[in-house]
Amino acid sequence: QVQLQESGPGLVKPSETLSLTCTVSGYSIRSGYYWGWIRQPPGKGLEWIGSIYHSGSTYYNPSLKSRVTISVDRSKNQFSLKLSSVTAADTAVYYCARDVSSGSDYWGQGTLVTVSS
Amino acid sequence: DIQLTQSPSFLSASVGDRVTITCRASQGISSYLAWYQQKPGKAPELLIYAASTLQSGVPSRFSGSGSGTEFTLTVSSLQPEDFATYYCQQLNTYPLTFGGGTKVEIK
Repeated sequence: QVQLQESGPGLVKPSETLSLTCTVSGYSIRSGYYWGWIRQPPGKGLEWIGSIYHSGSTYYNPSLKSRVTISVDRSKNQFSLKLSSVTAADTAVYYCARDVSSGSDYWGQGTLVTVSS
Repeated sequence: DIQLTQSPSFLSASVGDRVTITCRASQGISSYLAWYQQKPGKAPELLIYAASTLQSGVPSRFSGSGSGTEFTLTVSSLQPEDFATYYCQQLNTYPLTFGGGTKVEIK
């Protein structure tokens, strides 16, 4: 059974960098697929942040591209998200997911990140 | 970016009702559309992919149709566990985008 689990600070100060890690179990990232990050501000809809292929190639949402970095650590079977210069507008539940070509079939439970001083 | 417009944004229905949600794309996306169900406090779950293919384990009362720019998600007989928010997502072009969501509530 494929499982994903997000981890990282739940509180980040404005202008700092949000860092989250997604640990994958039950499937080796080396085996393929894209691995993505999606976020959801409280009470709002879903926003795709970006995805990384197991080889390391990435796609980012242009609306966030200047601030986003997604990386993969195949040895730990993890992938990570960094979002710099955060503001209150970046407060959201952040999900990691496995992206097959037809959709995201496995998701983490999500982690709430609040941007506040 | 490809915009997805879902309608209605809110739907009140009774158990046993047939429910249809529409997702319109701002440009053609072939059949690269997925539907998700999200319950409060939970991650979305993939229901349908490639516009009309049921994800494994999803009840057959759910169905999807469409191609190009207009798509529908239908629940043939609404069950209590189906009250949730539904999102469409296009996977034709980066950046991937989601519709605004349709909240299905109990009448």
